[in-house]
Order: sequence, then structure tokens, then C-alpha cells
Amino acid sequence: QLQLQESGPGLVKPSETLSLICTVSGGSITSSSYFWGWIRQPPGEGLEWIGTVYYSGTTYYNTSLKSRVNISVDTSKNLFSLNLNSVTAADTAVYFCARWNRLMATAIDSWGQGTLVTVSS
Amino acid sequence: DIQMTQSPSSVSASVGDRVTITCRASQGISNWLAWYQQRPGMAPKLLIYGASTLHSGVPSRFSGSGSGTDFTLTISSLQPEDFATYYCQQGNSFPPLTFGGGTKVEVK
Repeated sequence: QLQLQESGPGLVKPSETLSLICTVSGGSITSSSYFWGWIRQPPGEGLEWIGTVYYSGTTYYNTSLKSRVNISVDTSKNLFSLNLNSVTAADTAVYFCARWNRLMATAIDSWGQGTLVTVSS
Repeated sequence: DIQMTQSPSSVSASVGDRVTITCRASQGISNWLAWYQQRPGMAPKLLIYGASTLHSGVPSRFSGSGSGTDFTLTISSLQPEDFATYYCQQGNSFPPLTFGGGTKVEVK
């Protein structure tokens, strides 16, 4: 059973960098059938795609965040990471890591439980 | 970028009701559409992919239809556990991967 688990600080100061890790267990991150990434949800709002990474390291980002975001993959540790710099209060959200399944018309078939990150001094 | 528009934004219904939610893409996405259910405080769960294929373990009262730009999620007989927010997501033109704004199914 595939499991994704987010980890990282729950509180980040304005102008600093938000860093999260998603650890994948029960399956390999190197399968070509999937790609991996991050989605966030501000309190009381909808879902926003942040970006996606293939196991090869190829990345795609939301253009609204592209200048501040970096997603990387560590195949040796079966995990991928999110860094979002210069954060403001508007970046306060629940951050989910997820797996998109290319065999399911690019649907997300696995989600992490989500982690709330608050940006505040 | 493809925009996904869901309607209604909320719907009030009773147990046993038939509920229909619509998702419209700003341009054709073939059948590259997924539906998710999100209960409060939880991660979303995949219900339907490929516009009409029921994900493993999802009750048969859920169904999806559509192709191109117009899609529908139907709950044939609403159950207490179905009160939640539903999202559509397109996977045809990527990046970006875009979600609809969500539809909250509330108790009438």
C-alpha cells in the first residue's frame, strides 16, 4: 500500500523559505508510470497545483509561483522535496504531496495527509 | 492555460437525493478529467478518472460522464458520508494541472 508522508516546519517567518519533504513508502518513486508533486490549499479555499517532478528530475511549476519554487527528487531515499522562498502570509496553507498516475489519465491516485504551514512572525 | 469551472459552488440536498455537479473546461480536454471528494480536515480522495472510470473501492452510486469541455459527476442516492466538497481536475494540457473551484454538498 503506497503511502506519502509530508514533513517539515509548521511555522515559517515571512521572507524565509518554506521547506517540506514527502517520503514515499510502499512503492518506488522511479516508476515511469507516475509523477510526483505538491498541491496546496489555503484555509477555507480550493486546491492549487504548485508543481510536479518526474523521477528523472524534470520539473514543471505553476507560473504564479515559478520564480520562488523548487521541487527536487532524491531517488536514493525515495522522497521528493519542496522549497518555496520569500514566503508571505498568502502562502499559509495546507500542503499536500501527491502522486499523479499517467495510466489513469493523469489523475492523483495517492495523497499525503497534508501539513499545515503557517507564515507568521 | 485551461480553466476549469465548476457549478454550482454549493448545493443543499437530503439523504437519498440525486445530486449532479458540472465541470466545464475552457478548451477541449478529451476525457482527461478526474473527480475528487474532500471531507473536512482530510486529503482529497480520487473518485473517478478518465471522466467516467470509477476508481477502485468507490461506491457505484458515483458516476461520471462527458468529454471535450463538459463533464458531470452524479451521486445517484446521496448518503450521509457524501456530504463533502467535490473537485474536478484536468490532466490533458499540462502544465499546469488545474482544478475546478469546488462544489460543497451540504445538508438541506
